[in-house]
Amino acid sequence: DGGITQSPKYLFRKEGQNVTLSCEQNLNHDAMYWYRQDPGQGLRLIYYSQIVNDFQKGDIAEGYSVSREKKESFPLTVTSAQKNPTAFYLCASSIGARGNSVGNQPQHFGDGTRLSIL
Amino acid sequence: AQSVAQPEDQVNVAEGNPLTVKCTYSVSGNPYLFWYVQYPNRGLQFLLKYITGDNLVKGSYGFEAEFNKSQTSFHLKKPSALVSDSALYFCAVRGPMFSGGYNKLIFGAGTRLAVHP
Repeated sequence: DGGITQSPKYLFRKEGQNVTLSCEQNLNHDAMYWYRQDPGQGLRLIYYSQIVNDFQKGDIAEGYSVSREKKESFPLTVTSAQKNPTAFYLCASSIGARGNSVGNQPQHFGDGTRLSIL
Repeated sequence: AQSVAQPEDQVNVAEGNPLTVKCTYSVSGNPYLFWYVQYPNRGLQFLLKYITGDNLVKGSYGFEAEFNKSQTSFHLKKPSALVSDSALYFCAVRGPMFSGGYNKLIFGAGTRLAVHP
């Protein structure tokens, strides 16, 4: 079955440590996204990528970094500069918009990674 | 600027009763609207969308939503609630376009639905 796989499911970060969250999709989607979810705040966009080797900052990119070397993969690194990293992180993807109406395709989500501080 | 509001943090309903989860939006131009559901420690699952056409949209698991342009609302409904419908529900609206032609999704804060036996 096609879908999005996030790993690990739970992750603990020590002070001053960088950690990387994995996101892999086999849906052949061009666009991929990272969101942060905090209680009562909905989802906030961290980074997005519309094509391989290209990515853009979202609304809360400070303290995070990403790469998009392969279409299937969009890992997120939470750096030590992110002072409040405890949250639920969600990866999503969507079908390409080339030649189609933009904005009318739903995003597909992985099951998330819960990051906590040790 | 585009925005979406879910005015209720929590909705409680008895099993078998109809349910409504409210959503209002603010957009410039035609709205593209979505509903997602999230079960504990899981990602979001797409339920339904409104792009154009019939104001009553049918989606997964027996859910439907009614688009009301004059009231700028897109309420989620189900005629008969199940205990298994208990989850967190998010309304979303298409936001500004990215430079490459994709659109940002703007999410509401979510409404927790609790269906009691």
